[in-house]
Amino acid sequence: AQTVTQSQPEMSVQEAETVTLSCTYDTSESDYYLFWYKQPPSRQMILVIRQEAYKQQNATENRFSVNFQKAAKSFSLKISDSQLGDAAMYFCAYRILTSGTYKYIFGTGTRLKVLA
Amino acid sequence: DTGVSQDPRHKITKRGQNVTFRCDPISEHNRLYWYRQTLGQGPEFLTYFQNEAQLEKSRLLSDRFSAERPKGSFSTLEIQRTEQGDSAMYLCASSLFGGNEKLFFGSGTQLSVL
Repeated sequence: AQTVTQSQPEMSVQEAETVTLSCTYDTSESDYYLFWYKQPPSRQMILVIRQEAYKQQNATENRFSVNFQKAAKSFSLKISDSQLGDAAMYFCAYRILTSGTYKYIFGTGTRLKVLA
Repeated sequence: DTGVSQDPRHKITKRGQNVTFRCDPISEHNRLYWYRQTLGQGPEFLTYFQNEAQLEKSRLLSDRFSAERPKGSFSTLEIQRTEQGDSAMYLCASSLFGGNEKLFFGSGTQLSVL
C-alpha cells in the first residue's frame, strides 16, 4: 500500500524555538521524491522542501531542514527559529512513477501553532 | 510566471446540479493534476494530464466526474448531478516534465453542495 502517515495532528512551538514534524511513508519503489508542503489559511499549498530518495544528504532550505532515514522510511521536518508566519497545516508527500504516471501521495497533515 | 489559477474560488450549488471548474496552469507546465481535499485531510489524487492526454483517473472519480485539457493548456473539471458528498476543496496543480519535479498548486475551488 502506498501511504503517508503523519502521527501528530497538531503541534505547538514557541516563537524562535525549534520544532520537528514527523512523517513516515510506505512504498515499494526505490526511486521517489519526498516533499513537505505548507498550507496556510489561504488554502494554497506551498512547497517548503523536497528530497530525492537517492540522495543521502539531507535537504535544507534556510530555516527548514529534513531528517531523511530511507531504511526506516522516515522523513521529518525541522523548523528552526520558528516565526508566527510558519503557522499552517504541513503535509508530507512523496512522488512515485507508477504505470507511466507520476503520482503524489499526501499525508493527513499536522497543524502547527506558533505561540508568541 | 503568474502561478496556477483556479476559477471560481467558491461555488455553492444545489444537489443535482452540474458544476464546472477551470484551472489555468503555469504556462510552460505540461503536467496537470486535480486533487480533492476535505476538511482535516490531505489532498487526494483525482486525475492527471500530460499535455492534452488524460493518463490516469483515480477510482475516487465516479462516472459523474469528467476532466478535460484541450490543447494541453487549461483544464476543466465537471461534476454532474452533484451530491452532498462532493463538497470539498478541488485543487489543481501543475509541474514541468523534466523540470525539478516541483508541484505548484492553485488556490483551489471550494465546492459546497446544499
